Amino acid sequence: GAVVSQHPSRVICKSGTSVKIECRSLDFQATTMFWYRQFPKQSLMLMATSNEGSKATYEQGVEKDKFLINHASLTLSTLTVTSAHPEDSSFYICSADGLAGAETQYFGPGTRLLVL
Amino acid sequence: GESVGLHLPTLSVQEGDNSIINCAYSNSASDYFIWYKQESGKGPQFIIDIRSNMDKRQGQRVTVLLNKTVKHLSLQIAATQPGDSAVYFCAENIQNSGYSTLTFGKGTMLLVSP
Repeated sequence: GAVVSQHPSRVICKSGTSVKIECRSLDFQATTMFWYRQFPKQSLMLMATSNEGSKATYEQGVEKDKFLINHASLTLSTLTVTSAHPEDSSFYICSADGLAGAETQYFGPGTRLLVL
Repeated sequence: GESVGLHLPTLSVQEGDNSIINCAYSNSASDYFIWYKQESGKGPQFIIDIRSNMDKRQGQRVTVLLNKTVKHLSLQIAATQPGDSAVYFCAENIQNSGYSTLTFGKGTMLLVSP
C-alpha cells in the first residue's frame, strides 16, 4: 500500500526556535499533501493543503507566516513552525493523495512537537 | 455535525461483543465518507469507506452504514478484540476545485476488555 513517512517522529525545542517537519510519500507521487494538527483527546484539524509547485492553501485561523509549507516535489512537503511557543506543542500529521482530485488520503505516523 | 470538543466519548465493550460507533456529519454535499482508526501516538489508519450512493458496505469484521436523510454514519465491528482498542474517527470528503479535503469528526475511544 501507499506509505507516507514523517521526520522527525518527536522533537523537543526551546521557545523561539523554528522546527521543520518533513513528509514524504515513499512509493507514490502525491499531487496534494495535507497538514493536520491534533491536540490531546481531540480530533485532527486541517491546517493547510499544499500542491506541488504552488502556494499552500491555509485553513481559516492558521497563520501562514508562522506555519510555512513547502511542497517542492511530488514526494516531499515540509512544514516549518517558526518561532515556536509552548502553545504550538501538538501532534502534527501529514497525509498525501495519489492523484489529482483523489479522495483517499494516506496518513503519515505523525510528529510530536514539544516546545519548552 | 460534530464539532471538535475537549471530551472524547468512550465506548467500553467486552471482547467478543459487537461494537457500534456513531458519527453525525455536517455537510449534505459530502459524497464520500471514511472511517479511520488511530492508535495512541500514531497516524490514522484507513478502515473502510462508503460513497453517498450506497447505504451499507461491509469489510472484514466491519460494516459501515450511511443514512443520508439524517446525516448519520455508523461503524459496526463484529467480535471486537482487544487489538481493536483505539480512537475511531469518521471523516467526510468535500470536493474543492482540483482536490478533496477531509473533515474529521471528534472521535470515539473504543476500549475492549479481555
